Amino acid sequence: KNQVEQSPQSLIILEGKNCTLQCNYTVSPFSNLRWYKQDTGRGPVSLTIMTFSENTKSNGRYTATLDADTKQSSLHITASQLSDSASYICVVSSGPGTYKYIFGTGTRLKVLA
Amino acid sequence: DAGVIQSPRHEVTEMGQEVTLRCKPISGHDYLFWYRQTMMRGLELLIYFNNNVPIDDSGMPEDRFSAKMPNASFSTLKIQPSEPRDSAVYFCASSPGLFLSSYEQYFGPGTRLTVT
Repeated sequence: KNQVEQSPQSLIILEGKNCTLQCNYTVSPFSNLRWYKQDTGRGPVSLTIMTFSENTKSNGRYTATLDADTKQSSLHITASQLSDSASYICVVSSGPGTYKYIFGTGTRLKVLA
Repeated sequence: DAGVIQSPRHEVTEMGQEVTLRCKPISGHDYLFWYRQTMMRGLELLIYFNNNVPIDDSGMPEDRFSAKMPNASFSTLKIQPSEPRDSAVYFCASSPGLFLSSYEQYFGPGTRLTVT
């Protein structure tokens, strides 16, 4: 069964600290993996997209890693800011053949001053 | 570009009523997606279109849900009759391509639907 599991469900950190969010998936065949940031009351915004051959991709203070062998991904946030408070959603696309998006339930991050 | 436009932003209706949600995708995007988001189930893909043609509607929960895309700049998601369990935030998204890594999806602000 295609599944995407994220951990932790929620996380509270102090401003300036680093944190790492986890995404484990059992999706086959694998096409790509996306991390989205969703602010409260807004639609998700793409942070990174990685294919099978990519191990690391950065977007400013956000760095995503992908281990296709263990089917794990992580999103590392460096020097957190109050504006990083949001939900972070991992999405794995399957394909080719049967193209599907499989969504994780997200990690809710709160950054405190 | 104004981005993906959705209307209304909020909708409150009574059980049994018909609800129509509207979406205007980003100009030039060939793909349009409808999603539903709830606290319990997270984001779920309901249906997506390619060049105005429905490609995969396997996520549509029941026959009470229907979606149309009469032209490249407009799509609707209709629920008839609505039920309290349909209460959720409905997002529309558009993309210039499907699953290749270079194609991103751009989400609208969502419509918060409450069915009483």
